Formats: sequence, C-alpha cells, structure tokens
Amino acid sequence: DTAVSQTPKYLVTQMGNDKSIKCEQNLGHDTMYWYKQDSKKFLKIMFSYNNKELIINETVPNRFSPKSPDKAHLNLHINSLELGDSAVYFCATGQDRSYEQYFGPGTRLTVT
Amino acid sequence: AQSVTQPDIHITVSEGASLELRCNYSYGATPYLFWYVQSPGQGLQLLLKYFSGDTLVQGIKGFEAEFKRSQSSFNLRKPSVHWSDAAEYFCAVGGAQKLVFGQGTRLTINP
Repeated sequence: DTAVSQTPKYLVTQMGNDKSIKCEQNLGHDTMYWYKQDSKKFLKIMFSYNNKELIINETVPNRFSPKSPDKAHLNLHINSLELGDSAVYFCATGQDRSYEQYFGPGTRLTVT
Repeated sequence: AQSVTQPDIHITVSEGASLELRCNYSYGATPYLFWYVQSPGQGLQLLLKYFSGDTLVQGIKGFEAEFKRSQSSFNLRKPSVHWSDAAEYFCAVGGAQKLVFGQGTRLTINP
C-alpha cells in the first residue's frame, strides 16, 4: 500500500485550462501539504492543511485552490493555467508539530 | 523566518569514496533538521532527522549527519558511496509550522 499517492503522475495541458491534482494518504497524519518544485529543483511550500483546516497559504496566486474533503485527502485545483505553472507538484503529510513529512511521488505538470 | 543554504550545487565523487554534503541553516529557536533524498523522477525520501539529544544522528542507507549549533550546520556524511546514491539531496529546517528546504545538492558517482 502506497503511503502517499498522487494522481495523475503526468499532466500536459494548454494555457487557460483548469486542472486538478489529487492526493491521498493512508498514514493517518493530521497535516497535509502541497509543494511546488521548479525546474531548478527548488522546493517551496504552497499550502498546508491540518484536520481539513487551511493553516498555511504561502502567497500563492488565487488561481490555486486546495480542497480537503477529509483528513486523508488534499486536492489541488488550478484555474486558468499559465506557462509558469509548469513544475512538479508534491503532496506531503506529517503529524502535527513534528515537522517530519512524507512525500508523494509527484505530479509533473506541463503547460503548453 | 528560517532559511537553509546548501553551498554545493553539484558534487562528484568516486564509488567507494567518502562523502560530505554541507548544510547551513538559520533559525532563531532550536531547529528541527532533516535530510531528504530525491532519485530521478521520484518523490523525496527522508534520510534522517535531528530534533534534540545526540548531535550525531544515524539514518537509512548508511548515512549520518552531525548537528553543530556553533556553526549552524547539519552536514550529511557517508563513509563509502555506492552508485545507487546518485541523486539530489535536500537539507530542510522545520519551524513556524512548515519545512524550508535548501536548494539541493546533486550527487554524481563516478564508477
């Protein structure tokens, strides 16, 4: 059983489209995160949710909207995709206050 | 706010040689420190972590790291690298409800 899974693994789409990435965890962790990794491999946090409540929103454009239907899922919806959104998006989970995080395999988003 | 610097963007070592990857952090309180490894096309895997106590921590795959508060460093070491260690390595510091990552160090192994 994969601890943190993401779908899809690859996503190729055109500018202006709307797309979603899904994340599911079976670790029972309280907190889930979205990270963006750019072409230079720099990894930056976008959002974190704790028990379905938004905790961190790191000045991400409001075209990005995370949604947490339950503790085990955190989805990322992106409206009006732009070329600069091309990146690898990682979901991660952790227990509150431990900072130890477990990452999903990533979703490579390519906007053309 | 916390920050992490990994001074070496790319390091090449021969198989069987020893390895040290450098990490310097900045954080006002006691840091939670981590090393992650990312193989090509994969997610990040936790190698080891430091929260408190013994400043030399052991991790998976034969890696260890030493926390030095006076130098604000948390360097990663391995006595003898294997070709399968070729990957991207990230140091991270936890604080203010989030992890902040360094820029990463790409490790290449020469046969």
